[in-house]
Amino acid sequence: GQQVMQIPQYQHVQEGEDFTTYCNSSTTLSNIQWYKQRPGGHPVFLIQLVKSGEVKKQKRLTFQFGEAKKNSSLHITATQTTDVGTYFCAGYSNTGNQFYFGTGTSLTVIP
Amino acid sequence: ETGVTQSPTHLIKTRGQQVTLRCSSQSGHNTVSWYQQALGQGPQFIFQYYREEENGRGNFPPRFSGLQFPNYSSELNVNALELDDSALYLCASSVDRNSPLHFGNGTRLTVT
Repeated sequence: GQQVMQIPQYQHVQEGEDFTTYCNSSTTLSNIQWYKQRPGGHPVFLIQLVKSGEVKKQKRLTFQFGEAKKNSSLHITATQTTDVGTYFCAGYSNTGNQFYFGTGTSLTVIP
Repeated sequence: ETGVTQSPTHLIKTRGQQVTLRCSSQSGHNTVSWYQQALGQGPQFIFQYYREEENGRGNFPPRFSGLQFPNYSSELNVNALELDDSALYLCASSVDRNSPLHFGNGTRLTVT
């Protein structure tokens, strides 16, 4: 069945280092959305990408949607302690009315 | 602008019982979706409602059912509860089917 995998599952970085999480879907997605979930909280929307090859930036965060619309990445430059949380990619499959969340990457930032 | 609200916050039920969770969508949103999030995992799509009709369903058994009301609020019903149903249940509303999701704080369900 449809799967959306993210790697790595966990990442520990020193404050100021960069961080990247990769998202891979087994099938084409109509769009990709990224969410951040703090411990004990609920997912909070970060950004949506729709077009093949699209790249968007939000301050220190850079998001990319792959050409085949099956993969995506989130890159954080110079991490800060406020970046701590789990980052999820998510999107609608073109093959059915289902919305899939990725497995998530948990980011720990060491001050 | 009122955000997404869910009730109750916490719930403890016994195996075999039935439960109803409630969600009020954000103002201006006509789409509601429900997710199950087990500890340490990503949210799993249960189903989505658009203008009172089910508009998509994940791989959950029929004992998971839902409703959306004319004011776009929603209910999630789970019959014959099993221990594995213990999880955080998240409701999210959106402007339409493909739009970003706005989540409530969730209902923590424990089945004993």
